Amino acid sequence: DIQMTQSPSSLSASVGDRVTITCRASQGIRNDLGWYQQKPGKAPKRLIYAASSFQSGVPSRFSGSGSGTEFTLTISSLQPEDFATYYCLQHNSNPLTFGGGTKVEIK
Amino acid sequence: EVQLVESGGGLVKPGGSLRLSCAASGFTFSDAWMTWVRQAPGKGLEWVGRIKSKTDGGTADYAAPVQGRFTISRDDSKNTLYLQMNSLRIEDTAVYYCFVWYFDYWGQGTLVTVSS
Repeated sequence: DIQMTQSPSSLSASVGDRVTITCRASQGIRNDLGWYQQKPGKAPKRLIYAASSFQSGVPSRFSGSGSGTEFTLTISSLQPEDFATYYCLQHNSNPLTFGGGTKVEIK
Repeated sequence: EVQLVESGGGLVKPGGSLRLSCAASGFTFSDAWMTWVRQAPGKGLEWVGRIKSKTDGGTADYAAPVQGRFTISRDDSKNTLYLQMNSLRIEDTAVYYCFVWYFDYWGQGTLVTVSS
């Protein structure tokens, strides 16, 4: 199984900050990775697919990069509505696997 | 409007069984590969399994922790996805979501609590 190691597990940041979250795959997954945002009590919502492509309707402050084993989600200027938990998900091979999550909290 | 509505969650004793349903509307269900994901209280997301469309073979794949205990099926005539859960364990306690990975359609989730 492919393990997805996500870091950090949590971070505190202020509105306007640049935030970077990383996922590392235990083996190469090409660009078969998505990033999801989840708010408390809600279903996740995909922000980025194919590692760097924007899901329709997602603000341009979210961006993704990477290929192979190293991936990054960047929020260029954190907004109040961005405080949430973020997950990566690899779909290169079964079983699909999520990263452990990154909780973004208000500083 | 796309809707995925899960039902069937509840309280069950360890070793018991439960069947979850996911009623779909607003898209061509028969063409969709359907997925179950779960989230234990206060924990992260865990992929449970997926079933392909009938035209792509209709087979299901499962995560190791549920392999042999859970069965995913679909009834395209009813636009409904199922998750049959047998031999339930305390660690199966979670909110269970159905979702369509390709389009990022998600249900609201249904809570399964396994407790004596």
